[in-house]
Amino acid sequence: NAGVTQTPKFRILKIGQSMTLQCAQDMNHNYMYWYRQDPGMGLKLIYYSVGAGITDKGEVPNGYNVSRSTTEDFPLRLELAAPSQTSVYFCAAQGGGRGDTQYFGPGTRLTVL
Amino acid sequence: GQQVMQIPQYQHVQEGEDFTTYCNSSTTLSNIQWYKQRPGGHPVFLIQLVKSGEVKKQKRLTFQFGEAKKNSSLHITATQTTDVGTYFCAGAGTASKLTFGTGTRLQVTL
Repeated sequence: NAGVTQTPKFRILKIGQSMTLQCAQDMNHNYMYWYRQDPGMGLKLIYYSVGAGITDKGEVPNGYNVSRSTTEDFPLRLELAAPSQTSVYFCAAQGGGRGDTQYFGPGTRLTVL
Repeated sequence: GQQVMQIPQYQHVQEGEDFTTYCNSSTTLSNIQWYKQRPGGHPVFLIQLVKSGEVKKQKRLTFQFGEAKKNSSLHITATQTTDVGTYFCAGAGTASKLTFGTGTRLQVTL
C-alpha cells in the first residue's frame, strides 16, 4: 500500500495562476484533510471531507476549493495564486471519526512569485 | 474555536539531556495524539491517549494525559540526535477533525 500520495512535490507559480494539488489514498479511509504549513509554523486546516461528496471548510479556506467525487481522491484547487499562499501543503487521511490517527502524505512545496 | 498551545516553541539540548514539551487545550478533549515531524518531512503519528490521567511509554518517550483531559506532555529521557524534529500534539474534540498544537522544535547537539 502506498498510503497517501501527493503530486507534485514542488511547484513554482506566478501570481494569478491557478493549479490543482493532487492527493490520493489507497487505505479506503473516509476522512481526508488538507493542511498548510508555513515555515517554522504549525498546521492550519484548509478543508476537510468526511466522505465522498461531502466537504467542509477548515480554519483558512479562502483562496482554495476542494472536491471529493471518490473515496480515494481529494484534490485542492488554488485559484488566482497569491504570494501569501507560498507554503507546504499536506494531505492526510483518517480511518474513523472522533480523532482517529491521521496519515499524512509527503507534502507539496508551493512557491508563488 | 478550540485552540491548542504548546510550550516551549523551541528547545536546544545536548545529547543525553532530557526534554519535555507541554500541550494545553482551551477545551476538554476526547483524546490527544502526538506526532513527530523530521526536518523536511511530514508529520508521523506517535501515540494516542484517551483516558484521563493516562500515561504511556515508548522506549525513551513518556506521554501523559491530564486528569481534566485539557493538557498533555511528552517527555524524552536521554535525548539522541535521532530525536531532532518538531513535536506536535493534536486534540480531538467533538468533531472528527484534529486541532494541531503550535509545535515544539527540538534541536539536539553532541
